[in-house]
Amino acid sequence: DTAVSQTPKYLVTQMGNDKSIKCEQNLGHDTMYWYKQDSKKFLKIMFSYNNKELIINETVPNRFSPKSPDKAHLNLHINSLELGDSAVYFCASSQQGVGGELFFGEGSRLTVL
Amino acid sequence: AQSVTQLDSQVPVFEEAPVELRCNYSSSVSVYLFWYVQYPNQGLQLLLKYLSGSTLVKGINGFEAEFNKSQTSFHLRKPSVHISDTAEYFCAVRLGYSGGGADGLTFGKGTHLIIQP
Repeated sequence: DTAVSQTPKYLVTQMGNDKSIKCEQNLGHDTMYWYKQDSKKFLKIMFSYNNKELIINETVPNRFSPKSPDKAHLNLHINSLELGDSAVYFCASSQQGVGGELFFGEGSRLTVL
Repeated sequence: AQSVTQLDSQVPVFEEAPVELRCNYSSSVSVYLFWYVQYPNQGLQLLLKYLSGSTLVKGINGFEAEFNKSQTSFHLRKPSVHISDTAEYFCAVRLGYSGGGADGLTFGKGTHLIIQP
């Protein structure tokens, strides 16, 4: 069973479109995250949710809107896509108070044309 | 705020040779330290972590790392590398207060390990 799963794995779309990436974890963790990895492999946190509550919202355009329907799911919706949004987006989860390591999904590669 | 520096963006090594990937961190409080590996087109996998206790930490795939508080370093080592170790390696840090928090990890820029036959 995949611990942290993201869909879709690949996403190719036109500028101006709206798209969503879904994430689910079956580890029973209480915290979930979205990270963005750019073309130089740099990883930057975008959002974190703890028990469905937004904890971190880094300097991210408000075109990006995370939604956590429950502790096991954290989706990312992006409006009005721009060329600079092309990246790999990683979902991750962790459990507070237990070592602090993050478990990552396989990533979703978004290409905006 | 904490930060991580990986000085080497790329490290070429011959197969079966030893390797060290360098990581330095900056923080005014205690931290937890991690090394992750990313194989091509895959997610990140935890290699090892330092939370407290023994400063020499052993991880998966024969890797180990040593926490050095005075030098604020957490270098990753392997005595003999294989072609399959070719990947991107990331050092990461988070604040070491109890509870872990929901602040996530701060990553270094990564080191691309290239194993040459």
